Amino acid sequence: GNSVTQMEGPVTLSEEAFLTINCTYTATGYPSLFWYVQYPGEGLQLLLKATKADDKGSNKGFEATYRKETTSFHLEKGSVQVSDSAVYFCALLPVYNQGGKLIFGQGTELSVKP
Amino acid sequence: SAVISQKPSRDICQRGTSLTIQCQVDSQVTMMFWYRQQPGQSLTLIATANQGSEATYESGFVIDKFPISRPNLTFSTLTVSNMSPEDSSIYLCSARDRGTLGYTFGSGTRLTVV
Repeated sequence: GNSVTQMEGPVTLSEEAFLTINCTYTATGYPSLFWYVQYPGEGLQLLLKATKADDKGSNKGFEATYRKETTSFHLEKGSVQVSDSAVYFCALLPVYNQGGKLIFGQGTELSVKP
Repeated sequence: SAVISQKPSRDICQRGTSLTIQCQVDSQVTMMFWYRQQPGQSLTLIATANQGSEATYESGFVIDKFPISRPNLTFSTLTVSNMSPEDSSIYLCSARDRGTLGYTFGSGTRLTVV
């Protein structure tokens, strides 16, 4: 079946540190891949997405590259800020759609200290 | 992308009562989804709500407990019925933009049952 696995949190970094949050997936074919961010007390916001192999999604300094060979979509940012503290969710949309339901990873909490 | 207004944002309810959560979308959308997010956990899909048809519930969720309405392409409600403390959670609605991969989320309803 379809599934998403993220690295466990919480991840604690100092401001301006480099961030990587690992995400791997299991799915048939070429699913669409997403990163969502949830700030404290809020709903989810789309951070970036990629729809085919080797696509790179980017937004607000965050990047993720769709790697079919390693079934991964790791999230990276070169220099994190305190305002990036949030929970990050990796998600996939199966290629055969299965009712349009997103499959979410378990979420990774990021805490950035000044 | 679509914008969702979800309300109430939070509520404290007595056990045995029911709460109806509303989501209003600022554009017509084909698919809407209802999720539950327990503290520190990922999102669990409750049901998919398509206009003009009965909602489709995921395993472990039943219509008697979580009745859903979808009267038109911009509005949906989820009712949490006969509540118990175990229903304390964040409830989120989501909408998929027509013809795109854009999934938008409401800001969530924080429910506490006492």
